[in-house]
Amino acid sequence: DTEVTQTPKHLVMGMTNKKSLKCEQHMGHRAMYWYKQKAKKPPELMFVYSYEKLSINESVPSRFSPECPNSSLLNLHLHALQPEDSALYLCASSQTVEKLFFGSGTQLSVL
Amino acid sequence: DQQVKQNSPSLSVQEGRISILNCDYTNSMFDYFLWYKKYPAEGPTFLISISSIKDKNEDGRFTVFLNKSAKHLSLHIVPSQPGDSAVYFCAASSSGSARQLTFGSGTQLTVLP
Repeated sequence: DTEVTQTPKHLVMGMTNKKSLKCEQHMGHRAMYWYKQKAKKPPELMFVYSYEKLSINESVPSRFSPECPNSSLLNLHLHALQPEDSALYLCASSQTVEKLFFGSGTQLSVL
Repeated sequence: DQQVKQNSPSLSVQEGRISILNCDYTNSMFDYFLWYKKYPAEGPTFLISISSIKDKNEDGRFTVFLNKSAKHLSLHIVPSQPGDSAVYFCAASSSGSARQLTFGSGTQLTVLP
C-alpha cells in the first residue's frame, strides 16, 4: 500500500463552522505533513509531525489545529476559518524527509 | 522572496520530442533537488531527484541536470508522451532547513499528440 488517503475530497464550510480533515497512511512512514496550496502557487508547508510529535509549525494561525492520534493518522481541525483560507489542503508522509508521498488533497471552500 | 523559481508557467511540446523544464534557485545552501509531477485532482508524485554532488541523474525517459555554479537545474523528458501532460514542480532542500522542501511555482507541460 503506497497510498496516502485524504477525506473528504471536497469541503464547503461557513466561517463559524468546525470541521476536520483526515489523512491516513499505512506505509510505516514516521513523518507526516500538512501543506496548503493555492491555485497556480507551490505547496506551502503548514505542519510536520515526526514520530507523532509536532516538530514544525510554520507560523500557522490557531484556527488550524493539527492532531496526530497515531503513526498512521493525521487530522487537521478547522475552526472560524476565513474566506482566504480556501485552498487545496494536502497531506503527505515520508520515510526520508525529501521523498514525500502526497494524498489527493481536500479542496476547501470557506464561504 | 522565492528561493526556487520556475519562470515558465507553461510549456507545449509535440509528442516524441524533448521536453525541457527549467528551475533556478537562489539559496546556495540547497544541496538536494527533486522534481514532482501533479495531475489535476491528485497530489504531487515524486519523479526524480539529484544530490549536489552529482550533475546528472537519469531514470528512464527522465534526466535531471544540475549546474551548481549557475544555480540552475533542468528536467529533460525524452521522448515526451501525452501522458506526461501535468504540472511539474521543482523542489529543493538543505540540512539548514531541517531538510524541508521549498517548492517552485510549477510549470504546466502539455504534450500534443
